[in-house]
Amino acid sequence: ILNVEQSPQSLHVQEGDSTNFTCSFPSSNFYALHWYRWETAKSPEALFVMTLNGDEKKKGRISATLNTKEGYSYLYIKGSQPEDSATYLCAFNVPFTGGGNKLTFGTGTQLKVEL
Amino acid sequence: EAQVTQNPRYLITVTGKKLTVTCSQNMNHEYMSWYRQDPGLGLRQIYYSMNVEVTDKGDVPEGYKVSRKEKRNFPLILESPSPNQTSLYFCASSFLGPGNEQFFGPGTRLTVL
Repeated sequence: ILNVEQSPQSLHVQEGDSTNFTCSFPSSNFYALHWYRWETAKSPEALFVMTLNGDEKKKGRISATLNTKEGYSYLYIKGSQPEDSATYLCAFNVPFTGGGNKLTFGTGTQLKVEL
Repeated sequence: EAQVTQNPRYLITVTGKKLTVTCSQNMNHEYMSWYRQDPGLGLRQIYYSMNVEVTDKGDVPEGYKVSRKEKRNFPLILESPSPNQTSLYFCASSFLGPGNEQFFGPGTRLTVL
């Protein structure tokens, strides 16, 4: 089973702070790296799917970068708001013949934004 | 509305009583998958399917069965549930290909006494 690691495990920040999390994954045979946002009592929702080394993606105040050669991705949140409080999951798309989409998930970073 | 639905959302049952959790998607996705979420362990894949009549084991398949007779449905079957199958279960679907995000159902919280 592949190892996908996320850090930190949890994070408490103040409203307005900017923050970032790390996802580490195997650097060989890269297919894709997914980021999901998971709010309490809801289901995970995709933020980004990144497929190319050097990819940078942005959605509002949230952005992500990808380094496939060294096996890491960063997720950044600029000016955190209480509604950003959630668990952020990264998932490594395991190389698979036939176009398969098997994902191996990290355990997530739990973000709490306080007023 | 494009969505993945699961039923039931909550279930309390007893050891050994067969149960089925249904999953249905209306997005014409080829790929469907079942995950379980346990504290500190992250989402772990149970079974997946790449198309009708094509299913395979994920990382934690013991004690589970699946079927894919129609493209839209992917039920999860627990023939003889045990307490260690108490968990939060998610169904997900996507188009084939690594650049495609997965869409998750609302989750089913199962308790096996």
